[in-house]
Amino acid sequence: TAGITQAPTSQILAAGRSMTLRCTQDMRHNAMYWYRQDLGLGLRLIHYSNTAGTTGKGEVPDGYSVSRANTDDFPLTLASAVPSQTSVYFCASSLEGDTEAFFGQGTRLTVV
Amino acid sequence: KNEVEQSPQNLTAQEGEFITINCSYSVGISALHWLQQHPGGGIVSLFMLSSGKKKHGRLIATINIQEKHSSLHITASHPRDSAVYICAVYYGGATNKLIFGTGTLLAVQP
Repeated sequence: TAGITQAPTSQILAAGRSMTLRCTQDMRHNAMYWYRQDLGLGLRLIHYSNTAGTTGKGEVPDGYSVSRANTDDFPLTLASAVPSQTSVYFCASSLEGDTEAFFGQGTRLTVV
Repeated sequence: KNEVEQSPQNLTAQEGEFITINCSYSVGISALHWLQQHPGGGIVSLFMLSSGKKKHGRLIATINIQEKHSSLHITASHPRDSAVYICAVYYGGATNKLIFGTGTLLAVQP
């Protein structure tokens, strides 16, 4: 059972470069989320999607974009990376917002 | 001010002790999640509850909707319980998102 998977596991990225973090789930969940986790700040919502074809901004959306072309995939794109985007990124999904959430294993991104 | 407050931020216990981690939130919610994250590891959902109490093995979660407060209890703690425990609340409706507390770092010493 795959569940929810993220790729890559880790990445070092030069400032100014673009990158897409991939997230795929095979549970047919409607809701998907992208969070970043920083020491002392906990998990903060970047973008979310309630269902395929819709997306919304979270707490810290600036510098990030998402798309939800289908139910399974929810990629996160950094158009022009900056060092403050160094973080651990988690993708999550749930059937609906008020049901159990499943998390990917995380992507550790370092922008230098 | 974070909408979700956890206490304590750090907790050290001896093996076998009863542990309580608290979570308070500021506005009405539809559901509350307790999550566990081991060092360097992924995040696992422990409980999702909207009222009352749930139990799974040595873990018990309670929620008081009127007081906007939830607790996670660990009975007969063990070193393998050492992890970060995270509370998250779900605000339903159009927002449909989880807001997280900053977590409680638990270390259980043998």
